Amino acid sequence: QVQLQESGPGLVKTSGTLSLSCAVSGGSIASNKWWSWVRQTPGKGLEWIGEISHDGRVWHSGRINYNPSLKGRVTISIDNSKNQFSLTLTSVTAADTAVYYCSRGSGKPFGYDNWGQGTLVTVSS
Amino acid sequence: SYELTQPTSVSVSPGQTTTITCSGDKLGDKYTCWYQQRPGQSPVLVIYQDSKRPSGIPERFSASISADTATLTITGTQTMDEADYYCQAWDSSTVIFGGGTKLTVL
Repeated sequence: QVQLQESGPGLVKTSGTLSLSCAVSGGSIASNKWWSWVRQTPGKGLEWIGEISHDGRVWHSGRINYNPSLKGRVTISIDNSKNQFSLTLTSVTAADTAVYYCSRGSGKPFGYDNWGQGTLVTVSS
Repeated sequence: SYELTQPTSVSVSPGQTTTITCSGDKLGDKYTCWYQQRPGQSPVLVIYQDSKRPSGIPERFSASISADTATLTITGTQTMDEADYYCQAWDSSTVIFGGGTKLTVL
């Protein structure tokens, strides 16, 4: 059974950069699955940030999709050697305060069938 | 940008049938998934590909799709089904979530 675990700072300064990692255990990240980030602001709904898929080939950056509303600030990358993927969000504001989830999907039409427990990131000066 | 609209809240008594809708332009031409999120927990996929249940999801969960509306149905709703429910679809390569519906079972 694949398990996902988010990690990273719980507090980020305003205008700074949010960086999170998601460690994947129980399966290979180089599996052509879609590895995604989804966030949830306190008391609100889910917002998809983006996703990445990789087949493990060296020098291949993988396929990546981003939420257009965050494009320009967000980068998702994958580290096959560590079996993990990462999220970087720049120029953060209080509006980026949220619980950040990593999840695994099999693409359209299968949805995301495996989720991490989520990690709260607070943006404050 | 594409939007999915859900009712904010739904209330049912135990044993009754719950119906939660999700509306979007030509939603029937896209694929819809549904997620359950209990308080303090991560989302759980309960429906994929419009109407299919992942293994381990009880049979009381079902779903259907029409031209512009996806519907999640919980037959014989139990108190453990009290949660937030989110629909999700794809608009080209972008994943869209509905605003969520809070199901109260009382």
